Amino acid sequence: DAGITQSPRHKVTETGTPVTLRCHQTENHRYMYWYRQDPGHGLRLIHYSYGVKDTDKGEVSDGYSVSRSKTEDFLLTLESATSSQTSVYFCAISESSARPPYEQYFGPGTRLTVT
Amino acid sequence: QKEVEQNSGPLSVPEGAIASLNCTYSDRGSQSFFWYRQYSGKSPELIMSIYSNGDKEDGRFTAQLNKASQYVSLLIRDSQPSDSATYLCAVKSRERGSTLGRLYFGRGTQLTVWP
Repeated sequence: DAGITQSPRHKVTETGTPVTLRCHQTENHRYMYWYRQDPGHGLRLIHYSYGVKDTDKGEVSDGYSVSRSKTEDFLLTLESATSSQTSVYFCAISESSARPPYEQYFGPGTRLTVT
Repeated sequence: QKEVEQNSGPLSVPEGAIASLNCTYSDRGSQSFFWYRQYSGKSPELIMSIYSNGDKEDGRFTAQLNKASQYVSLLIRDSQPSDSATYLCAVKSRERGSTLGRLYFGRGTQLTVWP
């Protein structure tokens, strides 16, 4: 998984509770991404980061926030979890976005269930 | 919204046959194209990237790109049961006014290779 870990790997939480997912990389890549994957929707971008403290929204950012205080760590927070946020969450990294190589590599994923 | 369309499948081929996976995209300005393989319960794994029109071969895999037709395909020769997975097409497009790009994913094509 290209030096990417995610924690926790599985989590069950109740509606209304805050949840933080962590992505850690050892590749020193500048760009980091959070996706969610749901049946019938494929992979959808939540937020991404293009440097320490530099983040931007993706297509499904409502209800999520992110932080990146170090190159190696990218945190995804669900401020108040809802059942619609039950999903598999993937972190990805890439060396570059503005010029080749553009390849993104994915972490192992976190399966989140909101009851 | 930039669209990436794939045949939903499932696609079923016998062992040793050629599997052909297709993908079309809506953004004519897209420059980079990727194929990911995803086994059930696992994360997407990059298997091919292609940037120029024509064919790119890597072992049993061949990616084909036709930018004029906005079409990219993946051929798997001598298909093996271990190739059974979902194949995701991803296209890199830039947001208007930004030098950064992001990946847009198709919903994937499920391939089954039977012995």
